[in-house]
Amino acid sequence: GAGVSQSPSNKVTEKGKDVELRCDPISGHTALYWYRQSLGQGLEFLIYFQGNSAPDKSGLPSDRFSAERTGGSVSTLTIQRTQQEDSAVYLCASRPSGANVLTFGAGSRLTVL
Amino acid sequence: AQSVTQPDIHITVSEGASLELRCNYSYGATPYLFWYVQSPGQGLQLLLKYFSGDTLVQGIKGFEAEFKRSQSSFNLRKPSVHWSDAAEYFCAVGPGGSQGNLIFGKGTKLSVKP
Repeated sequence: GAGVSQSPSNKVTEKGKDVELRCDPISGHTALYWYRQSLGQGLEFLIYFQGNSAPDKSGLPSDRFSAERTGGSVSTLTIQRTQQEDSAVYLCASRPSGANVLTFGAGSRLTVL
Repeated sequence: AQSVTQPDIHITVSEGASLELRCNYSYGATPYLFWYVQSPGQGLQLLLKYFSGDTLVQGIKGFEAEFKRSQSSFNLRKPSVHWSDAAEYFCAVGPGGSQGNLIFGKGTKLSVKP
């Protein structure tokens, strides 16, 4: 597609359930990022994939969070045993090799009840 | 520590008035600087970026920003605000080259009075 696609756009889940959020980056973009946007907190970096290199997981807040990127394209962010504090908008972004500008998706809004 | 500070959480301006949104950064290397805008329910859209060269950069929608190394600032300006500019604005800093992630400020919400 022309832009970064994220699904679902909205997810409501119960505390303790696992959720998966999907990101489909722009075709050919080698780098993919996940950020979390909580109310009044700006964007918090979670994880960064660059080509075939090991991902930079330094922003993941706990071991309940994980992400993978299959075939250098689609990425899935998984949150296990969700907590209420996980409620946020999860934004995915991608960029092509050699460029510094990120293109963002519209985000997945997660609400944990 | 690397960080971006946007001192103003919420700003209200009248339509047609000028606008300046402040951004200060702390970064150990030569910074690449960005301003993004986020309309309600939307992702972030790039307004402008500074990598090197002329310290006054022009962006989309009539916005500009000035890089001041001595003040570690990258303030966003617009001479005349339109109602459609109401949104949240984020300043970000990142490394040179094509590696690494961007560090974002907490954003400034802009409201526009008719």
